[in-house]
Amino acid sequence: DQQVKQNSPSLSVQEGRISILNCDYTNSMFDYFLWYKKYPAEGPTFLISISSIKDKNEDGRFTVFLNKSAKHLSLHIVPSQPGDSAVYFCAASASRFGNEKLTFGTGTRLTIIP
Amino acid sequence: EAQVTQNPRYLITVTGKKLTVTCSQNMNHEYMSWYRQDPGLGLRQIYYSMNVEVTDKGDVPEGYKVSRKEKRNFPLILESPSPNQTSLYFCASTHRGASSYEQYFGPGTRLTVT
Repeated sequence: DQQVKQNSPSLSVQEGRISILNCDYTNSMFDYFLWYKKYPAEGPTFLISISSIKDKNEDGRFTVFLNKSAKHLSLHIVPSQPGDSAVYFCAASASRFGNEKLTFGTGTRLTIIP
Repeated sequence: EAQVTQNPRYLITVTGKKLTVTCSQNMNHEYMSWYRQDPGLGLRQIYYSMNVEVTDKGDVPEGYKVSRKEKRNFPLILESPSPNQTSLYFCASTHRGASSYEQYFGPGTRLTVT
């Protein structure tokens, strides 16, 4: 049972345009969400996170939106740059229960076209 | 430099030959965990440790053992590897801030069991 879903395995976006990556979750206990970026032959690196008490968090070109009623979050990258080409993983946890375990989605491969 | 290190990075072995993948972090984090990444399945947690001598099963613990004798090290042990344990393995440690946390991942260990 996939509790965190990334339904788009891949996405191609023109350089300079907006990239929108989507993630859905089913477990209502999840209250903390993170996005990770992964290059080949490297471990995932943390990008941005959001707590369920917020509906938006921004960090430079990256913004994460959380819609709790729809159990949906999205990552916006504006403007997209060639270095953003990577696999992006959405992850969730039920942190209020003291459990920092992350449940990951299957990832979306983002390709930025120069 | 703050980091999580894993060794070896690549390993080819045969069924039944015991092996250990080491993991070490220099950030004094209490929480560490092991994940495996498989195509179409994202990252799945194998085991985690909330502190020294405190370990527990994640989502896919069968066939694995761990130990946490000191805070910085969290080795993953495969007593009798089988081909279905061929995978990409990541160790991670967690930084907990006042109202947030994030996991730092090692570079990965690609294991092939023949």
